[in-house]
Amino acid sequence: DAKTTQPPSMDCAEGRAANLPCNHSTISGNEYVYWYRQIHSQGPQYIIHGLKNNETNEMASLIITEDRKSSTLILPHATLRDTAVYYCIVRANTGNQFYFGTGTSLTVIP
Amino acid sequence: EPEVTQTPSHQVTQMGQEVILRCVPISNHLYFYWYRQILGQKVEFLVSFYNNEISEKSEIFDDQFSVERPDGSNFTLKIRSTKLEDSAMYFCASTGTGYEKLFFGSGTQLSVL
Repeated sequence: DAKTTQPPSMDCAEGRAANLPCNHSTISGNEYVYWYRQIHSQGPQYIIHGLKNNETNEMASLIITEDRKSSTLILPHATLRDTAVYYCIVRANTGNQFYFGTGTSLTVIP
Repeated sequence: EPEVTQTPSHQVTQMGQEVILRCVPISNHLYFYWYRQILGQKVEFLVSFYNNEISEKSEIFDDQFSVERPDGSNFTLKIRSTKLEDSAMYFCASTGTGYEKLFFGSGTQLSVL
């Protein structure tokens, strides 16, 4: 089952940074934090993942607290196309599958 | 970027009929998955498949469901006798080593009438 807690919905103004929080207080030492998003009913799209260090790629930044019990996904300049449901998932890199929670529905407002 | 391909994009069937959903995972991937999403609900894990056998399955994946990798490229999900509650979007996913991110297909919308 999902081991993360996310707010059900958030709004963000277009062009501003979107900061999506996630709590994973029971995360284990070998579990990574993954972020995916789903636009309408399309297949989930990978965004970023990390273990304990902050990560950045062309899509987003991931900030993981020092105790690893929470993280924040940052979309630096949100666009209308970033409107989607964002899922925070913890997963050990041992071949087991992802459990999706209910995610955060992000609406980017013009 | 390589893609997971699913066919058909939409399938309509009568209750009690058998359906086969097809997926072509990314060519060098070894781990394969099926998920489903009932309208308005979360994405649910069904089954994972590695080395020609099921490695993990959920409670949803009962005797009515089966998976197969009939050749070197396709990965199929069969529902033997469909029920109304099987209506959902079905997603196939794959990954290379099991230690990497999952790549998802665009899904097959199954409608059982």
